[in-house]
Amino acid sequence: KQEVTQIPAALSVPEGENLVLNCSFTDSAIYNLQWFRQDPGKGLTSLLLIQSSQREQTSGRLNASLDKSSGRSTLYIAASQPGDSATYLCAVSGGNYQLIWGAGTKLIIKP
Amino acid sequence: DAGVIQSPRHEVTEMGQEVTLRCKPISGHDYLFWYRQTMMRGLELLIYFNNNVPIDDSGMPEDRFSAKMPNASFSTLKIQPSEPRDSAVYFCASSLPGGVSGANVLTFGAGSRLTVL
Repeated sequence: KQEVTQIPAALSVPEGENLVLNCSFTDSAIYNLQWFRQDPGKGLTSLLLIQSSQREQTSGRLNASLDKSSGRSTLYIAASQPGDSATYLCAVSGGNYQLIWGAGTKLIIKP
Repeated sequence: DAGVIQSPRHEVTEMGQEVTLRCKPISGHDYLFWYRQTMMRGLELLIYFNNNVPIDDSGMPEDRFSAKMPNASFSTLKIQPSEPRDSAVYFCASSLPGGVSGANVLTFGAGSRLTVL
């Protein structure tokens, strides 16, 4: 059974720092991995989707990597800003539209 | 497009009452998902539809839960009778088909926060 873990559960860093969020999964047989952002009281916003054949995806200051063999993905945020404060969730897909979700990392960027 | 629209945003009800949550997906999206989010269990997929047809309802916790999609622009999630343990945020999401890989970028609604007293 696929399990997705995100560590740490919470992270607080000063503005301007580069940071890395981690996501690990137990079954390497995935079709893709997605990173989402959730703001308080709001829904989730898809940030990046990495297909199983890809190693990384980039969007602006965000870069997500995928290492299937080790069951790991990282979300790199460059030059963090207070507006980046949110909960970040990763989710893996086994190809049947069933996403297995991590519990999320709550990120606080201090001005 | 206004995105995925859910109503009500907040619902407080008493145990035993019927609760109906509503969702309007993005026009043209033929997949619709209902999720539940709690602190204890995180995000759970309850059911999803393709072209208005329920495809997988294995996540629906009990017979008290039911979902319908009478047309491409409307879906409901009903809980009858409601119980305190049903308290959660219920999200609706829609997407275009993702092909054989099942990859689909979901667009989520803002959620319906349900409190059952």
